[in-house]
Amino acid sequence: AQSVTQLDSQVPVFEEAPVELRCNYSSSVSVYLFWYVQYPNQGLQLLLKYLSGSTLVKGINGFEAEFNKSQTSFHLRKPSVHISDTAEYFCAVSDLRTSYDKVIFGPGTSLSVIP
Amino acid sequence: DGGITQSPKYLFRKEGQNVTLSCEQNLNHDAMYWYRQDPGQGLRLIYYSQIVNDFQKGDIAEGYSVSREKKESFPLTVTSAQKNPTAFYLCASSPDGAGANYGYTFGSGTRLTVV
Repeated sequence: AQSVTQLDSQVPVFEEAPVELRCNYSSSVSVYLFWYVQYPNQGLQLLLKYLSGSTLVKGINGFEAEFNKSQTSFHLRKPSVHISDTAEYFCAVSDLRTSYDKVIFGPGTSLSVIP
Repeated sequence: DGGITQSPKYLFRKEGQNVTLSCEQNLNHDAMYWYRQDPGQGLRLIYYSQIVNDFQKGDIAEGYSVSREKKESFPLTVTSAQKNPTAFYLCASSPDGAGANYGYTFGSGTRLTVV
């Protein structure tokens, strides 16, 4: 079964520094990939998604992610973080072979931006 | 503006009681989903519905029930059979059953606490 790993449960970073949140998934065949952000006591908001085409995907709030099929990774990056980026970030995957109608979420990475 | 409305925001339940969480959307989406979120565990799928009058069990359906009598509404009942119901519950929707193509739109969640 498809699974998603987010290696870092917590990532502290200073304001205006770059950040990378790591995501790996278990199968490289026919997947769609997503990053969501969750602010405290709120629902999730879609940051970006990879369906096909260019492996570098740009999203909202200055975030981008790169799809790497050989490494089954979809890491999220931002060149300069702001205090307002403090939130929980979830990587998610849909396996088109077995569960096209569902999205499987990783455990989340808590990003804390330090002033 | 279109979106998903979850109510109530906070809910307290006594042991042995059934409670119903409301989820309403005005996005004209076909598919709706219920997730449970616990700290450090990401999101786990409880039930989902791709069309009115039809729904499927997710990964952790035991102790929960749903109905889909109207396109706009997908209420979740947490029954007394659910042994550990304290959690944050999120409702989501997507334009059709192939939710991966579009990503999900989430509500703002209901925090259920057993007292």
